[in-house]
Amino acid sequence: GNSVTQMEGPVTLSEEAFLTINCTYTATGYPSLFWYVQYPGEGLQLLLKATKADDKGSNKGFEATYRKETTSFHLEKGSVQVSDSAVYFCALRRVDTDKLIFGTGTRLQVFP
Amino acid sequence: EADIYQTPRYLVIGTGKKITLECSQTMGHDKMYWYQQDPGMELHLIHYSYGVNSTEKGDLSSESTVSRIRTEHFPLTLESARPSHTSQYLCASRDREDSPLHFGNGTRLTVT
Repeated sequence: GNSVTQMEGPVTLSEEAFLTINCTYTATGYPSLFWYVQYPGEGLQLLLKATKADDKGSNKGFEATYRKETTSFHLEKGSVQVSDSAVYFCALRRVDTDKLIFGTGTRLQVFP
Repeated sequence: EADIYQTPRYLVIGTGKKITLECSQTMGHDKMYWYQQDPGMELHLIHYSYGVNSTEKGDLSSESTVSRIRTEHFPLTLESARPSHTSQYLCASRDREDSPLHFGNGTRLTVT
């Protein structure tokens, strides 16, 4: 079946530290992959996406590369800020439908 | 910018009451979705609609019902609320298969 597995949180970092949040997936075919972010008290917002193997999505200093060989889409940022504190969700869109399957979310806490 | 609105923002209600969670979008999107978000953050699709008079159940069984009489409006109803319905409910919409989901800020429901 189709599924997304994310590293458990919370991830706690100091400001300017390097961030990696791991995401791996199981799917038939070649799904599109997404990272969504949920700030406190808000709904989810699309952070970045990649639609095919070796694509790199990027936004606001965050990056993720679609790795078909390792079925991964890890989120990275070189220098996090306090304002990046949020919950991050990895997701895939099934090839056969347009429904999204979300991971369990990873909470990031950045301290000054 | 996404314009999707959910009301109420917070709701505390007693067991057995009937409630309706409102969701409206002003973007003319045909596709709309309801997700239930656990306290542990995991998102589950409970209902979706691809247009007026079209509604489908999602991946997670839910005792709630939905209706889609107008494109912009996708309310969710619980006929008899129970403590197990306590959760956050997120509404989302999109216009095409390859466009991102736009989320509302959610309704946090507590049933006592």
